[in-house]
Amino acid sequence: DSGVTQTPKHLITATGQRVTLRCSPRSGDLSVYWYQQSLDQGLQFLIQYYNGEERAKGNILERFSAQQFPDLHSELNLSSLELGDSALYFCASSVDGSVEVGGYTFGSGTRLTVV
Amino acid sequence: EDKVVQSPLSLVVHEGDTVTLNCSYEVTNFRSLLWYKQEKKAPTFLFMLTSSGIEKKSGRLSSILDKKELSSILNITATQTGDSAIYLCAVDWYTGNQFYFGTGTSLTVIP
Repeated sequence: DSGVTQTPKHLITATGQRVTLRCSPRSGDLSVYWYQQSLDQGLQFLIQYYNGEERAKGNILERFSAQQFPDLHSELNLSSLELGDSALYFCASSVDGSVEVGGYTFGSGTRLTVV
Repeated sequence: EDKVVQSPLSLVVHEGDTVTLNCSYEVTNFRSLLWYKQEKKAPTFLFMLTSSGIEKKSGRLSSILDKKELSSILNITATQTGDSAIYLCAVDWYTGNQFYFGTGTSLTVIP
């Protein structure tokens, strides 16, 4: 167990729907990162939060949004879902928002299937 | 556009073989390169490389960075079935706060 908790583990939903993915960072970590992993694209950075504030944004679609709450857990909201959104969504955390200290700690991911 | 490329995409070897995985990058203001192993789900950290020419080693795994060639290799000697996984390379640079990942190399070790 890495200490980063993601729920749910699996999610199947229909096109056009909206889902929320949840992540609790490792104890003591202030920064949360969201990544999308699809078969042909590898791990794509979506967004980073540090202590409740958005710090960096990657290839995140406008249909997607995220936030980090005062207790440091984070939610990734995906709306108007399309078949192409089917992927594994990873959350990772780090202590201080810097990637210098040996990388991130990843959660086990949420597998989203859009049908 | 910055890019991280891994090769080969996929590799199947017999137990006991030695494998070399490659990662090349085109990133300005390079800061560090990381290797991760991804088995069923979460990628797990293997190595972080910042200095050229210095080998990092952990058991049968070792990795080295060549900043001149903008590349890194990950070596696994005496492979075991438990080494079967996707190996991911990720690069970070000074203006970024996150890692950019390659698409990975899928390694399958057969008995």
